[in-house]
Amino acid sequence: DAGITQSPRYKITETGRQVTLMCHQTWSHSYMFWYRQDLGHGLRLIYYSAAADITDKGEVPDGYVVSRSKTENFPLTLESATRSQTSVYFCASSPYASTSSSYEQYFGPGTRLTVT
Amino acid sequence: ELKVEQNPLFLSMQEGKNYTIYCNYSTTSDRLYWYRQDPGKSLESLFVLLSNGAVKQEGRLMASLDTKARLSTLHITAAVHDLSATYFCAVDLPGANSKLTFGKGITLSVRP
Repeated sequence: DAGITQSPRYKITETGRQVTLMCHQTWSHSYMFWYRQDLGHGLRLIYYSAAADITDKGEVPDGYVVSRSKTENFPLTLESATRSQTSVYFCASSPYASTSSSYEQYFGPGTRLTVT
Repeated sequence: ELKVEQNPLFLSMQEGKNYTIYCNYSTTSDRLYWYRQDPGKSLESLFVLLSNGAVKQEGRLMASLDTKARLSTLHITAAVHDLSATYFCAVDLPGANSKLTFGKGITLSVRP
């Protein structure tokens, strides 16, 4: 499918387990982002990547790990899930600015994660 | 640190009436984005405003940007139920590596 996809869409896991959320985009966008959305906090940036093999922390990176070996994929791993990581996770991508004057981000459908 | 504030956070609108919602930001930027989110769904891009004085319109929504005042407005004309959603504004900073800073969103509810 064209665009940006996330899997799984829903996930229930137990405290302490490792969980990986997948994000895949078909546009060859340079930039990719992971956000979490919680009531009262809006969208908070977890990690972002400017290109393959280039990643950096966002506002709330603790407890999360990312990798980006290929431009199109940007998985997010919760190394040892905690209840506070129960949230809706959105992946987004953005083209490199030299091809556009805009940093508009395109969002995936989201993954609803519950940690019990 | 860039801060983006939206107000009000919740707005109950009456069908057929006009409303304006606001997005303020704390640091100079020429680029502002509006997104819409329906309950349980993802964010959908509405408007991209790339310069001072930029105005974009789509149906009953019109967005404008005043970079000197660090303010964007989203004007709603003759509200209809389909406009019920949460609206986010976001700002990027030069050199911020494509990162956007989002406001907390304004939830609009249109009642008959």
